[in-house]
Amino acid sequence: KQEVTQIPAALSVPEGENLVLNCSFTDSAIYNLQWFRQDPGKGLTSLLLIQSSQREQTSGRLNASLDKSSGRSTLYIAASQPGDSATYLCAVKGKAAGNKLTFGGGTRVLVKP
Amino acid sequence: DTAVSQTPKYLVTQMGNDKSIKCEQNLGHDTMYWYKQDSKKFLKIMFSYNNKELIINETVPNRFSPKSPDKAHLNLHINSLELGDSAVYFCASSLRDRVTPLHFGNGTRLTVT
Repeated sequence: KQEVTQIPAALSVPEGENLVLNCSFTDSAIYNLQWFRQDPGKGLTSLLLIQSSQREQTSGRLNASLDKSSGRSTLYIAASQPGDSATYLCAVKGKAAGNKLTFGGGTRVLVKP
Repeated sequence: DTAVSQTPKYLVTQMGNDKSIKCEQNLGHDTMYWYKQDSKKFLKIMFSYNNKELIINETVPNRFSPKSPDKAHLNLHINSLELGDSAVYFCASSLRDRVTPLHFGNGTRLTVT
């Protein structure tokens, strides 16, 4: 059974510092890994999707890496801004029945001005 | 606007009642999902439909019954509501491929009193 873990559960940094968010998963038989952002009272917004054959994806200040063999992904957010404050979730799409997406518990980020 | 939209946004009801949540997507996706987010913010998949066919049915009480009249709609009906059903329910959609990110609705906050 796939399990996805995100550590730390919460993170607070001053504005301008780079953010490093970690995600680990137990079953490497995946199709892709996705990073999402969730703002309070809102749904999830997709940030990046990394296919299992890829090592990283970049979008603006965001960069996500994937090491499938070790079951790890890292989301880097450069030069953090107060608007980056949100909960960040990672999810893996497994090759098991139904190709379902399994989510981690999220990292709650606060960027202080 | 292209989006996943679900109604209602808030639902407050008493134990024992029956209620429905509706979801519609206009993204042209062929797969739709219901997720439950509990008070600890863990997201768990409940159901998934592909072209009106049920493909994922997690361990969910049979008081929960999804209905998909067409591939753009996936509704969730809940019978005999219990206190433990209080949560935020998210609808999501995607294509049944390995490269399309999941798109989420803004959630329905269900409170059972």
